[in-house]
Parts: sequence; C-alpha cells; structure tokens
Amino acid sequence: QSVMTQPPSTSGTPGQRVTISCSGSRSNIERNTVNWYQQLPGTAPKLLIHNNDQRPSGVPDRFSASKSDTSASLAISELQSEDEADYYCAAWDDSVKGPVFGGGTKLTVL
Amino acid sequence: QLQLRESGPGLVKPSQTLSLTCAVSGASISSGDFSWSWIRQPPGKGLEYIGYIYQAGSTYYNPSLKSRVTISGDTSKNQFSLDLTSVTAADTAVYYCARAQGGILDFDSWGQGILVTVSS
Repeated sequence: QSVMTQPPSTSGTPGQRVTISCSGSRSNIERNTVNWYQQLPGTAPKLLIHNNDQRPSGVPDRFSASKSDTSASLAISELQSEDEADYYCAAWDDSVKGPVFGGGTKLTVL
Repeated sequence: QLQLRESGPGLVKPSQTLSLTCAVSGASISSGDFSWSWIRQPPGKGLEYIGYIYQAGSTYYNPSLKSRVTISGDTSKNQFSLDLTSVTAADTAVYYCARAQGGILDFDSWGQGILVTVSS
C-alpha cells in the first residue's frame, strides 16, 4: 500500500481536460517536491513534471501540475489518444527516509 | 545520445541472489552531475525505488530493502550493478536502471527494463 494515494483509474474523451490527484501527507508532499511520470503501455516511465510544476524540455504544455498542502494534482488538457497511459506521482518521504511513488492512475481515452 | 541497458538472468531461484548490470553509454557514471538508480515494478503493479550510486562510489538504499541490496559501479566498463540477496517470489518484477539529474527522483533517462522472475 502506497503512502501516497492516487485514484486507480480515470477516463476522458478526446479534447477533454482531466485531472489526476495524489494525496499524501506532511512528510512527503507538503515538505518535499513532487514529480509526475507517464508510463505508456509496455515502456519505461517518462518524466513529465519535476519540482512540483516544471515541465522538462519536450513535454507539451497540455500537461501541468500543482501542489497544495498534502495534495498534488496533474492536469492534462486537450486530451489525446496517445495520452492513454499510467501516471505516477513521486516524492521524498521524511518518515520513510526514502523516495515513494503513488500507486499509479490508469488513464483511458474513450 | 544517452543509453542505458539492463542485463542479467531472467530467472532466479528463491533464496538466491539476483544480480543485474546496467551498461551506460553517452555519459559517465563517475560524473558528479548525475546519480544512477535502480527501480522495480512487479507485474501489473506500481513502481518501487531500490537505490542509487553516485560518482561510482556513494550509495543510497531504500530502507525497506537496505538489508538485502548492494549497488556498485565499474568505471572501467561504465556500468553499475544491483545485487539483491535472499530473493522470494515477491521480488519478481521488471527492473529498470535510470539516470537522475538534479533531484533524486528526477529520472530523465531509463533503460528498457528487464523482467526477473523468482521461481524454482
């Protein structure tokens, strides 16, 4: 069981905006930065967001993220079929004294 | 262009040691700009951080695995390795090596992953 909780699944239609939440605690999200990863089927994860809301070069601006207190969220606007993937939040946890990942959210594009 | 490639046995017997190697091309594992990590993912499940090596010498291990994990580096071959002892079926997973730049969780490049099954 992950110390950061994500909804197991979500869905949307092309062109729609979807959000994925990541609920944590003071020891992880509130005190430390959050990253987001996208994992397309059968591939390694890809860094989507780092330092809470920063997009690495090459990541479309359709992807955005924010953090507030003990929760973080990833937003995907103008949803496309190629966005169908698993999404993971990640952060350092001061209690565990190590990095932790959320359980992952499977995004289906209908 | 940076490439990471995992290699090792795909099948390990229970109680034995799982040993994997990540060959790196396009960057030096001795560089102080990056850390080199192992992450695993059980089939159909989420990601679990194992640990990293930095400048081919300093290491960090996830406390939950620390008693069984060793990560080492070979600068002559520009590769780093993972040893996980006393494996059980719960260690069956796809094992990824990855490079982090900046923060410990800023993985900007990954290997393709290697499935390791623990079974007799």
